Amino acid sequence: SAVISQKPSRDICQRGTSLTIQCQVDSQVTMMFWYRQQPGQSLTLIATANQGSEATYESGFVIDKFPISRPNLTFSTLTVSNMSPEDSSIYLCSVQPDRKLAGNTIYFGEGSWLTVV
Amino acid sequence: DQQVKQNSPSLSVQEGRISILNCDYTNSMFDYFLWYKKYPAEGPTFLISISSIKDKNEDGRFTVFLNKSAKHLSLHIVPSQPGDSAVYFCAAARNSGNTPLVFGKGTRLSVIA
Repeated sequence: SAVISQKPSRDICQRGTSLTIQCQVDSQVTMMFWYRQQPGQSLTLIATANQGSEATYESGFVIDKFPISRPNLTFSTLTVSNMSPEDSSIYLCSVQPDRKLAGNTIYFGEGSWLTVV
Repeated sequence: DQQVKQNSPSLSVQEGRISILNCDYTNSMFDYFLWYKKYPAEGPTFLISISSIKDKNEDGRFTVFLNKSAKHLSLHIVPSQPGDSAVYFCAAARNSGNTPLVFGKGTRLSVIA
């Protein structure tokens, strides 16, 4: 399994500001993802963080709003830019150690709870 | 368009009884399915998975059943324990992985002592 550390675990943010969430993994992993869980909703994939290249964003999510970095195989950041109350959510980093999921799994960090006021 | 559906937002079960959590999917390309458990203020933790080449996978008290023709899977917990009280998410993927997981909205299980 992989041990994932996310920071901050919780924050209250002012409208219009930006916040960067960090994700550190204790081992090198092939795939890293960022998810969001809004209140009462399912876990929704924001993007796949690609090492050494631009992230791959899902429909409805754009780089200007959610810039992502992945400088190496153990670390990634997600920035939530120009926040509004609608961005209040849990943001989760997840990793998939190997490219093939079968016989493997995806692990999640504990999440970063953001409240935008 | 929700590809993975958990139609029961909540479920209450007596301790010692069986808990059955259901999940339906619409995309016939999904071939790998997982269940995650989530406690409040924690990230989801992996519980059990099943490949589409199987129809059942068992791990201790947890068994997942897959009915491909009905595009339906279920998680059985026997016997249920109070510590099982959590939100359970069903997830699916294509191509045995290398594609992101698609999650359902979750079912909150309450096991009553």
